[in-house]
Amino acid sequence: GAGVSQSPSNKVTEKGKDVELRCDPISGHTALYWYRQSLGQGLEFLIYFQGNSAPDKSGLPSDRFSAERTGGSVSTLTIQRTQQEDSAVYLCASSQAGSETQYFGPGTRLLVL
Amino acid sequence: AQSVSQHNHHVILSEAASLELGCNYSYGGTVNLFWYVQYPGQHLQLLLKYFSGDPLVKGIKGFEAEFIKSKFSFNLRKPSVQWSDTAEYFCAVRDYKLSFGAGTTVTVRA
Repeated sequence: GAGVSQSPSNKVTEKGKDVELRCDPISGHTALYWYRQSLGQGLEFLIYFQGNSAPDKSGLPSDRFSAERTGGSVSTLTIQRTQQEDSAVYLCASSQAGSETQYFGPGTRLLVL
Repeated sequence: AQSVSQHNHHVILSEAASLELGCNYSYGGTVNLFWYVQYPGQHLQLLLKYFSGDPLVKGIKGFEAEFIKSKFSFNLRKPSVQWSDTAEYFCAVRDYKLSFGAGTTVTVRA
């Protein structure tokens, strides 16, 4: 079956521009997570959506980062006024309700020049 | 807050050698433990997991891990590695979100 998909696979942007990253979770998965993988910081949790509950935004590094999930499915992570330190691979994962196992997408590699 | 420590940053082995990667966690609640693998150019894949029961868990591709509660450890092992095991390996602990270790890069020389 289809796994988690993310787009774009690569994004190059200039410092100060806004970017949007998209995640399509596995169909039927109610939980969705965003993580960031960067040199020196490893894999970090960013934000978590579970069903219709308010998202857990505790991992977002600054107020330039935001995310939404429409219709309980697709999610968009937005980074405003990008900085060079935002360069990283942004990973999305999803899981079924009541399951502890998260399935990861291929990631979006973001490079801020 | 939970944290995960992986002992080795980079391990280099020859084919057929045995592999053991150390992982220690710090978490006071019921632990869900995972090993994920990231092959070159590919996305993170689940290698194995431990939730409860038998502390020796077996995963894909001949990997296994042992949960030792008294040591807060969840070490990954494989008795005989192959060139195709070259990858980065991440240990993780979950409450609702995953907290990952820094990762161990494993290079297997043919």
